[in-house]
Amino acid sequence: DTAVSQTPKYLVTQMGNDKSIKCEQNLGHDTMYWYKQDSKKFLKIMFSYNNKELIINETVPNRFSPKSPDKAHLNLHINSLELGDSAVYFCASSRKGWGEQFFGPGTRLTVL
Amino acid sequence: SQQGEEDPQALSIQEGENATMNCSYKTSINNLQWYRQNSGRGLVHLILIRSNEREKHSGRLRVTLDTSKKSSSLLITASRAADTASYFCATEETSGSRLTFGEGTQLTVNP
Repeated sequence: DTAVSQTPKYLVTQMGNDKSIKCEQNLGHDTMYWYKQDSKKFLKIMFSYNNKELIINETVPNRFSPKSPDKAHLNLHINSLELGDSAVYFCASSRKGWGEQFFGPGTRLTVL
Repeated sequence: SQQGEEDPQALSIQEGENATMNCSYKTSINNLQWYRQNSGRGLVHLILIRSNEREKHSGRLRVTLDTSKKSSSLLITASRAADTASYFCATEETSGSRLTFGEGTQLTVNP
């Protein structure tokens, strides 16, 4: 009964490829997020969705496009992958606003 | 500059000792949260303290918040090897626009 799940857990790909990461939460939360954690463990918000509506879009290249087909899912599609995109990407959800957040296990993306 | 800055960056203690981690921030906040991240895993929420609260306890965890100094501390008492992890503070700004994470403290508890 995983609360927030992500697939895949590991993703190794070549520069220039397009890839997607999927996220699902079964907590009934209204708000979902994507975070990027770099090699120094610094965690930065990328996107926030509330009830399928984009709330925050940080300074993220437009090669990154989130898609929320319903409020339980928030997928991240990345076009034309670059070396600097290598990081761990976390999906999270919360009941509303910015209260307690529940994180997925992360997807470690390695761009070669 | 970072909204949440944590101190120390790394802390190594013996099992049974107490561990204290500090977090400073710059803007006005609604709440401050602490999270734990085990190696290779996602973050786990530990405790949330609201801006009008000064202290909060949860099991072996004690969190304090001083809004005049814009700082918080997390105390883990009687530490265990299983407490080895990275600990992050996160602040929800009064603008309500985001949750900003600190750089984390790596805690190592030696058995």
